[in-house]
Amino acid sequence: DGGITQSPKYLFRKEGQNVTLSCEQNLNHDAMYWYRQDPGQGLRLIYYSQIVNDFQKGDIAEGYSVSREKKESFPLTVTSAQKNPTAFYLCASSMRHGAFFGQGTRLTVV
Amino acid sequence: SQQGEEDPQALSIQEGENATMNCSYKTSINNLQWYRQNSGRGLVHLILIRSNEREKHSGRLRVTLDTSKKSSSLLITASRAADTASYFCATDAWSSGDKLTFGTGTRLAVRP
Repeated sequence: DGGITQSPKYLFRKEGQNVTLSCEQNLNHDAMYWYRQDPGQGLRLIYYSQIVNDFQKGDIAEGYSVSREKKESFPLTVTSAQKNPTAFYLCASSMRHGAFFGQGTRLTVV
Repeated sequence: SQQGEEDPQALSIQEGENATMNCSYKTSINNLQWYRQNSGRGLVHLILIRSNEREKHSGRLRVTLDTSKKSSSLLITASRAADTASYFCATDAWSSGDKLTFGTGTRLAVRP
């Protein structure tokens, strides 16, 4: 089954903790993206990567970090510097004909 | 920054009616895409229209693109209750490094 998988589905973070969200795809796509979605809002781009070992900041990169060591994987770390991390996080991969999305990770600060 | 702005923000129609959503964007684009999102889920790709195309159809979906007005519309014909979802447009452009930028979305409710 080809697709894009995000894990975990739900994640709880204590104040001051770093957490890492996983995103894996087996679609052989070059480009991968991380978006943040707040309730009732659109998607805002955090980071994106067009090729392995390269990535660019999106519109709201502060407090987040990523790596792209393998084509299949694009993990997102939400650091303690992100002051308001509670949101729905979506990962996507794309080959120009359209993006495929994972089912999202809902992160809550407790 | 949001590249696209959808209009209306919310739309409520009766089953069987047509639903039209509009998307405006700011800069020249390569492609414009429409996506659907059911509550609390990931987005599903519906249709892609290239900058040199004016209209595209897929089943009950019809998309138009007017690059002179920097706008697109999505028409869903003969709507069904199962079409209830949020709909987003997304654009990519050479000027922004091909990153995929989403609009704010239209929440569609189809009443049975």
